[in-house]
Amino acid sequence: KAGVTQTPRYLIKTRGQQVTLSCSPISGHRSVSWYQQTPGQGLQFLFEYFSETQRNKGNFPGRFSGRQFSNSRSEMNVSTLELGDSALYLCASSGGVREETEAFFGQGTRLTVV
Amino acid sequence: AQTVTQSQPEMSVQEAETVTLSCTYDTSESDYYLFWYKQPPSRQMILVIRQEAYKQQNATENRFSVNFQKAAKSFSLKISDSQLGDAAMYFCAYRSLLGNDMRFGAGTRLTVKP
Repeated sequence: KAGVTQTPRYLIKTRGQQVTLSCSPISGHRSVSWYQQTPGQGLQFLFEYFSETQRNKGNFPGRFSGRQFSNSRSEMNVSTLELGDSALYLCASSGGVREETEAFFGQGTRLTVV
Repeated sequence: AQTVTQSQPEMSVQEAETVTLSCTYDTSESDYYLFWYKQPPSRQMILVIRQEAYKQQNATENRFSVNFQKAAKSFSLKISDSQLGDAAMYFCAYRSLLGNDMRFGAGTRLTVKP
């Protein structure tokens, strides 16, 4: 079955703009989590959506938001971009229930803010 | 809050030899999951092995095995018969039973020498 798909793969934005990233999970998966990966801070959890509801949230400012649609596809939005938002954004999908522990990752979206 | 520490930023191993990557974590929970993920230059995070904390037996997946010491909160990864394709960043990750947010260590860059 198809893996986790993230679009776009690369993105260049100007400081102050906003951006929307998309993640299509594996068919049947209801949980989508987002992570930010930077050389300085490593991999940090942004938020998790399960059945269209935000279930967990990391320690990021309100400029970072997300949503999940009825087909489990998820979008992440960053408003008023800052240079420090340049990062690889990874999404991971899983079944979302306790027994389904494995998270499958997409290839990420590389965001560059100039 | 749970924290994951990987104290080896870089490791090197000769092809066909064995290498062990270290990971320690801090948690007050009694039941949880631990993972080792591999991230090659392609950026795709790939699950290498997982361990359920309630299982005393160490997990094994072909050439990959873990040494899980729950009392010491230690979770090391042993790679036997190292291959050139094992070269990548390796991340140790912790996940609570509830929710689907993982906490990652800073990673260990593994180089395999021919």
